[in-house]
Amino acid sequence: QKEVEQDPGPLSVPEGAIVSLNCTYSNSAFQYFMWYRQYSRKGPELLMYTYSSGNKEDGRFTAQVDKSSKYISLFIRDSQPSDSATYLCAMSGNTNAGKSTFGDGTTLTVKP
Amino acid sequence: NAGVTQTPKFQVLKTGQSMTLQCAQDMNHNSMYWYRQDPGMGLRLIYYSASEGTTDKGEVPNGYNVSRLNKREFSLRLESAAPSQTSVYFCASSETLDSIAKETQYFGPGTRLLVL
Repeated sequence: QKEVEQDPGPLSVPEGAIVSLNCTYSNSAFQYFMWYRQYSRKGPELLMYTYSSGNKEDGRFTAQVDKSSKYISLFIRDSQPSDSATYLCAMSGNTNAGKSTFGDGTTLTVKP
Repeated sequence: NAGVTQTPKFQVLKTGQSMTLQCAQDMNHNSMYWYRQDPGMGLRLIYYSASEGTTDKGEVPNGYNVSRLNKREFSLRLESAAPSQTSVYFCASSETLDSIAKETQYFGPGTRLLVL
């Protein structure tokens, strides 16, 4: 069983929809929870990160972490065609936080 | 400010051939990483270098070697390429290995490798 499982997708939504992207994990030592966005044929870029439990908001994006359920989510409000990309969740522990374990990614398409 | 650069962008090899993927960063980062990404899969860590002069194995190191040439450059070598090494390879760097709260991990644009 993988340490990090991500909803496989693909996901296709109309412009303006609220999008929910989700990952579950099994390693209780994970403390840092990251979301990366990867456009086609590009390298990933860090979108948001959260330390431990709670919510974090940045514009139209909200990251949620529920450590009790080992479940993390990324919500995108008022989705735009420019949000069309693959979203990767990643997690790491307190030590060697630069070494992350990644989910397989969810490909999102936002249709105009 | 170029960030993380990788060469080549695309390469075709025959089984058994060798090649070196080059990576350089201009952000004065201490830590550097090599990942591979296969279709429909996330990134898997091949090797990393916490600081200049050190290298360590990641999740999938077999068939690869690395060299941290200096603080800027971190190369990945395939001594005898196999079709199973067909993948997209990403180099990344970060300020330190610890505490992502202080830094972000920046990725290069990737090298697409096809082994026939």
